[in-house]
Amino acid sequence: NAGVTQTPKFQVLKTGQSMTLQCAQDMNHNSMYWYRQDPGMGLRLIYYSASEGTTDKGEVPNGYNVSRLNKREFSLRLESAAPSQTSVYFCASRTVTGVKGYTFGSGTRLTVV
Amino acid sequence: GDSVTQMEGPVTLSEEAFLTINCTYTATGYPSLFWYVQYPGEGLQLLLKATKADDKGSNKGFEATYRKETTSFHLEKGSVQVSDSAVYFCALSDRAGNTPLVFGKGTRLSVIA
Repeated sequence: NAGVTQTPKFQVLKTGQSMTLQCAQDMNHNSMYWYRQDPGMGLRLIYYSASEGTTDKGEVPNGYNVSRLNKREFSLRLESAAPSQTSVYFCASRTVTGVKGYTFGSGTRLTVV
Repeated sequence: GDSVTQMEGPVTLSEEAFLTINCTYTATGYPSLFWYVQYPGEGLQLLLKATKADDKGSNKGFEATYRKETTSFHLEKGSVQVSDSAVYFCALSDRAGNTPLVFGKGTRLSVIA
């Protein structure tokens, strides 16, 4: 099925460990986004990529890096995980033409202990 | 910056009850407005949208009207079902959809039989 695929679905890290969250879309969308979802906070934008080759910071970028590997893939890296990064992470994509809804992945639940 | 405020939850309703979830926004310019729904264990899905004043978005029995004078986009449904139990997010972006979505904190709805 066409859509946004995130891996892994679940992950437990120890404080200080690093990891990369993967996201891929097969809809030929131009823009891709990483959000985190925390209880009572809604979704907050971490980073986004308006088009292949560009990335920009969102509301809460500290502690994260991103790579827009190609048009399909947009990865999120935690270099040194902290308990405050325990969250559910969602990747989303959108086509550039007009005001269209985003397509979201099913999320990665990350726990940092 | 732009922001979205939605009513605090959780909201618990009996089946066939009327639903209203309030959403107000603050934005420069003339945003596009969205409602997203998140079912348990899933990513977000676009429920409905409106791009200009007095537009009414509708889908699956849900409706919301873009009210520029009150900067509001309240979600309504005349008769809720158990299957409507989910978290609902109000969101906005710029008129052309070029800026990343800004989300409210979400409202959890539980419908009991």
